[in-house]
Amino acid sequence: QVQLQESGPGLVKPSETLSLTCTVSGGSFNNYYWTWIRQPPGKGLEWIGYISYTGTTNYNPSLKSRVTISVDTSKNQFSLQLTSVTAADTAMYYCARNSAWFAYWGQGTLVTVSS
Amino acid sequence: EIVLTQSPGTLSLSPGERATLSCRASQSVSNSYLAWYQQKPGQAPRLLIYGASSRATGIPDRFSGSGSGTDFTLTISRLEPEDSAVYYCQQYGSSPQTFGQGTKVEIK
Repeated sequence: QVQLQESGPGLVKPSETLSLTCTVSGGSFNNYYWTWIRQPPGKGLEWIGYISYTGTTNYNPSLKSRVTISVDTSKNQFSLQLTSVTAADTAMYYCARNSAWFAYWGQGTLVTVSS
Repeated sequence: EIVLTQSPGTLSLSPGERATLSCRASQSVSNSYLAWYQQKPGQAPRLLIYGASSRATGIPDRFSGSGSGTDFTLTISRLEPEDSAVYYCQQYGSSPQTFGQGTKVEIK
């Protein structure tokens, strides 16, 4: 059974960089795309972007200037970096498998932006 | 980007009733690349439907999806108490992928 697990700091200061990692287990890492999605408290879902196992990326234009998604196939991991964060970036961050519909999700990790 | 508008905002029905959820796109969704998710409090979304009408693995057949172009529907034929959740539609036919704002289904 495919499992995804997000990890990273739960608290980030304004203007700093949010960094999260998603570790994939129980299935093939190669031949798939890997996605980050976020959900502010009490609000809807926002697609952040995806990366292929070969490193091809696609980002949401609304975040593109601040987002980097990278992949480490040797560790079955992919990562998210979001720079210059503000309170508006406070959200549950999910990682998911695929680039289209998402059948496999991590449990999510709450990141709060606050000083 | 394609904006997805879901209606109604909240649906309150009794067990055994039929629920009809709407997702309308601001422009045509190519190839009916539309999915539906169920999200319960404190949980990640769960995929119900992809390709507008294909049920995901393990999803009961009381959940069905239909539609094309700009108008899509998720139908829950006979509501059960565990169907209480927020339901989201998502289009993946054009970038950026976008989600609707959600419909909350309450079971009386």
